[in-house]
Amino acid sequence: EAGVTQFPSHSVIEKGQTVTLRCDPISGHDNLYWYRRVMGKEIKFLLHFVKESKQDESGMPNNRFLAERTGGTYSTLKVQPAELEDSGVYFCASSQGLGGKTTTGANVLTFGAGSRLTVL
Amino acid sequence: AQTVTQSQPEMSVQEAETVTLSCTYDTSENNYYLFWYKQPPSRQMILVIRQEAYKQQNATENRFSVNFQKAAKSFSLKISDSQLGDTAMYFCAFGTALYNFNKFYFGSGTKLNVKP
Repeated sequence: EAGVTQFPSHSVIEKGQTVTLRCDPISGHDNLYWYRRVMGKEIKFLLHFVKESKQDESGMPNNRFLAERTGGTYSTLKVQPAELEDSGVYFCASSQGLGGKTTTGANVLTFGAGSRLTVL
Repeated sequence: AQTVTQSQPEMSVQEAETVTLSCTYDTSENNYYLFWYKQPPSRQMILVIRQEAYKQQNATENRFSVNFQKAAKSFSLKISDSQLGDTAMYFCAFGTALYNFNKFYFGSGTKLNVKP
């Protein structure tokens, strides 16, 4: 099966510009997550979708970030306007288990390769 | 606070040797899972191994095994017979029932270089 696909793989933009990152989860996965890793730091949770609904967006840094998941399929993460501190790698992940668990245990997240964002 | 600490930013090991990556975590929850993920250069992050906190027996997956010390909140990863393909960033993480295992906490990663 196809994995989690993210694009662009790398985006370089000027401060103040807008960038939209896209994530295509594994087909049939209702759960979709966005995480971010700022250079050298830990990977941090941004938000979680169940189908098209935002289940938890407690990790979103501020209102410059907007995530959508139209029709419960692919998701986009828009940063507008971008700031220098938004630079980092944005990871998308998906999982199948509703309620956080599968029959074999806790959610197993399948990650994409990440989208690297550089804000100059 | 829910935190994960990986104190080794970078490590090197000779091919065929054994290496241990350290990880400590902090949570007040009792029901949680621990994970090690690896991200090879320019590739997606993949699950290496996972451990349920209620299980005392350490998880193993082929050449990968963990040393889970619940009281000390320590979860180290041992890689035996290291291979060149093990070169990657390794991230330690956990998820708790508090958030229905839908919010994971990660460390800052350890970059492992396997040398020929």
